[in-house]
Amino acid sequence: KNEVEQSPQNLTAQEGEFITINCSYSVGISALHWLQQHPGGGIVSLFMLSSGKKKHGRLIATINIQEKHSSLHITASHPRDSAVYICAALNTGNQFYFGTGTSLTVIP
Amino acid sequence: EPEVTQTPSHQVTQMGQEVILRCVPISNHLYFYWYRQILGQKVEFLVSFYNNEISEKSEIFDDQFSVERPDGSNFTLKIRSTKLEDSAMYFCASSLTGVEQYFGPGTRLTVT
Repeated sequence: KNEVEQSPQNLTAQEGEFITINCSYSVGISALHWLQQHPGGGIVSLFMLSSGKKKHGRLIATINIQEKHSSLHITASHPRDSAVYICAALNTGNQFYFGTGTSLTVIP
Repeated sequence: EPEVTQTPSHQVTQMGQEVILRCVPISNHLYFYWYRQILGQKVEFLVSFYNNEISEKSEIFDDQFSVERPDGSNFTLKIRSTKLEDSAMYFCASSLTGVEQYFGPGTRLTVT
């Protein structure tokens, strides 16, 4: 049983397209993280949110606590956005549960 | 901007050998974590460390694993007797509050 489910698993988009990646979780959370993993393996934290919406540049993350669902949006996608995007839920016991990731490829 | 660093970037070891993976967390952070990612699989939580002791550990973190903060700056993960299935990328992370975490670049461990 996966505590965190992401969709889609793989996503290919044309440059400029608006992209949405979804995350559903079953655990009670204190926070939800969106992470970006580059082809070389390094992980970068994009957002940490516990309610509402956050925006950073072309990235927007939203969370609906009642529905246990979060989305990551990328506006005006670019080939450099190609990476694996990982949703990770921090439960109330301070343990992380990771999704399997969404592999995004943006084609010029 | 402060960052988490990890050494080495790649470690190759023979099965049965002990390895120590090193991490230097961000200097004022109080919470420290180790994660691993087996090639092609999702990131998995191993252990969290706060106030000089383990606060949480997963079922993966068995007796062959240990963590230490030997000198107030380094945070190490020791694997006592490596197995082939320990081959993975190991990520260290640190946090000031226990919520927002900053990840290191990872150490790729290859057990032969």
